[in-house]
Amino acid sequence: ETGVTQTPRHLVMGMTNKKSLKCEQHLGHNAMYWYKQSAKKPLELMFVYNFKEQTENNSVPSRFSPECPNSSHLFLHLHTLQPEDSALYLCASSQGGDLETQYFGPGTRLLVL
Amino acid sequence: AQKVTQAQTEISVVEKEDVTLDCVYETRDTTYYLFWYKQPPSGELVFLIRRNSFDEQNEISGRYSWNFQKSTSSFNFTITASQVVDSAVYFCALSQYSGGGADGLTFGKGTHLIIQP
Repeated sequence: ETGVTQTPRHLVMGMTNKKSLKCEQHLGHNAMYWYKQSAKKPLELMFVYNFKEQTENNSVPSRFSPECPNSSHLFLHLHTLQPEDSALYLCASSQGGDLETQYFGPGTRLLVL
Repeated sequence: AQKVTQAQTEISVVEKEDVTLDCVYETRDTTYYLFWYKQPPSGELVFLIRRNSFDEQNEISGRYSWNFQKSTSSFNFTITASQVVDSAVYFCALSQYSGGGADGLTFGKGTHLIIQP
């Protein structure tokens, strides 16, 4: 398997549920990212991990909790979400340096009821 | 603060026409990179090109070409002889140098390109 993979591809959850999104990269990269893409809004950066350390949290509500156990895996734990959190969640990876190209996964389309 | 503006929300052309997608950016830094990504209906963002702030040479790759002009802070993308498979949402993005390692991208709102047969 190559590139960046994300599971699940689609997820429907209630506001009281707990779920997790998974991202895996097979590119040998050291940095991983979570982005949120809502309808009619630009892609928004959520979190950045570089060499497993979180280097950026873009004022994301605490109901989103990221986890990066190693440079190849990234999780986004979801808890007590709101309907406005429904969006496409995209994971990306890059080499660990500045200004590197980011490669994206196919995304998880989340619907919160 | 940095910002990317893609003023064209949607463009519709007939196949084989040439089409240009506009991108204007704002940044205070002198070192930065600009990117174009393609997002087909499947959702995955596909990397097309990266251009650094010190290289203003235009680039051509097959039917695709890019025009980078620092004087107008623009990085426009032209598709020549468009095809139906070019239909997608195209995003322009900016990455600033921070010296601290990986940084997130600032994206424009995207341009939805529709190529009609």
